[in-house]
Amino acid sequence: IAGITQAPTSQILAAGRRMTLRCTQDMRHNAMYWYRQDLGLGLRLIHYSNTAGTTGKGEVPDGYSVSRANTDDFPLTLASAVPSQTSVYFCASSRSTDNTEAFFGQGTRLTVV
Amino acid sequence: GQNIDQPTEMTATEGAIVQINCTYQTSGFNGLFWYQQHAGEAPTFLSYNVLDGLEEKGRFSSFLSRSKGYSYLLLKELQMKDSASYLCAAMDSNYQLIWGAGTKLIIKP
Repeated sequence: IAGITQAPTSQILAAGRRMTLRCTQDMRHNAMYWYRQDLGLGLRLIHYSNTAGTTGKGEVPDGYSVSRANTDDFPLTLASAVPSQTSVYFCASSRSTDNTEAFFGQGTRLTVV
Repeated sequence: GQNIDQPTEMTATEGAIVQINCTYQTSGFNGLFWYQQHAGEAPTFLSYNVLDGLEEKGRFSSFLSRSKGYSYLLLKELQMKDSASYLCAAMDSNYQLIWGAGTKLIIKP
């Protein structure tokens, strides 16, 4: 089934630990995004990638890093997790950065304790 | 700065009509999006407007006024399954989406 898949679906992480959230899409979309969603706030862009081999910083990039080695995969790494990174993380993709529709993964609920 | 405003919560009755408003301020403008998000699920695309006017798609319609920085989502013949959050997002001159916090729509029988 074509779409975008995230793993894990949920995780409890000790503060200071390193964690990578995985995101894979099979729609051959050029653009991919990582958002975090917190209660009472809109989705906030962490990092994005316009095409394989390129990445850019979004609104809230501090404490996070990404890579885009190929078209399909866009992992998000927390180098040293802090409690303020407790959130729901959504990966999304679109055909291009100016495309009209983004497709979202099912989300990763991360709790940092 | 860039900002999206929409009501936090609305309540409506099954079978009725509801209008969810959204105002936006962005650096440049490349379109206005509406997404639906059921609790615990991912957002899904509903509509996209870049020109002024009304776009109708089944029971859902979306309106845009660029001069007023205003959009609304109109839902007709409400069904219980329409209970969800509705997210308004504007695309700025860098093609980045600026998201509102979402409007939680509660449908009562």
